[in-house]
Amino acid sequence: SQTIHQWPATLVQPVGSPLSLECTVEGTSNPNLYWYRQAAGRGLQLLFYSVGIGQISSEVPQNLSASRPQDRQFILSSKKLLLSDSGFYLCAWRRYNEKLFFGSGTQLSVL
Amino acid sequence: SQQGEEDPQALSIQEGENATMNCSYKTSINNLQWYRQNSGRGLVHLILIRSNEREKHSGRLRVTLDTSKKSSSLLITASRAADTASYFCATVRFFYGQNFVFGPGTRLSVLP
Repeated sequence: SQTIHQWPATLVQPVGSPLSLECTVEGTSNPNLYWYRQAAGRGLQLLFYSVGIGQISSEVPQNLSASRPQDRQFILSSKKLLLSDSGFYLCAWRRYNEKLFFGSGTQLSVL
Repeated sequence: SQQGEEDPQALSIQEGENATMNCSYKTSINNLQWYRQNSGRGLVHLILIRSNEREKHSGRLRVTLDTSKKSSSLLITASRAADTASYFCATVRFFYGQNFVFGPGTRLSVLP
């Protein structure tokens, strides 16, 4: 069966520090991969999606970047975090199935 | 602008009562999906309704879709305390890449 792993679960980082969040999917191949951000008590904002290795599309201009070095690995990065980067980050995948499968999320606090 | 908008933003009911949440959207869609999120966790898919369907059931869940009004509703019957969570609708349009747009969600509290 397919599973999605996202880590770390929580992260506290100072302003100006770098960021790397990792997401991996098991049990499938060539998934569509997504990074979402969720502000407290709000809906999901799509940050990046990828339909294949090295193929990244960005939905909003921001301080973040994404990479897909392997088929089932999706990485969210920043060179210098801002206070506004705080939030709950969710990775998700989809293949033939029409629904999204989400990871357990990373709560990022930038102080 | 945001595609899906749920209402109410928050809903508090007693165990055993029914809970109804609504979702409105603005453009044509291929399907609409409802997800549930427990606090601090990822979202879990509940049910999908296609644009040519009007009603769908899954256990205690009933979803309706009115494409003429661009709205959907999620009904949870005989609610339980374990149903306490946030519920999101997502509208889906099939084109390359991005095709899921989520609303801000409804926070449901079921009191024992």
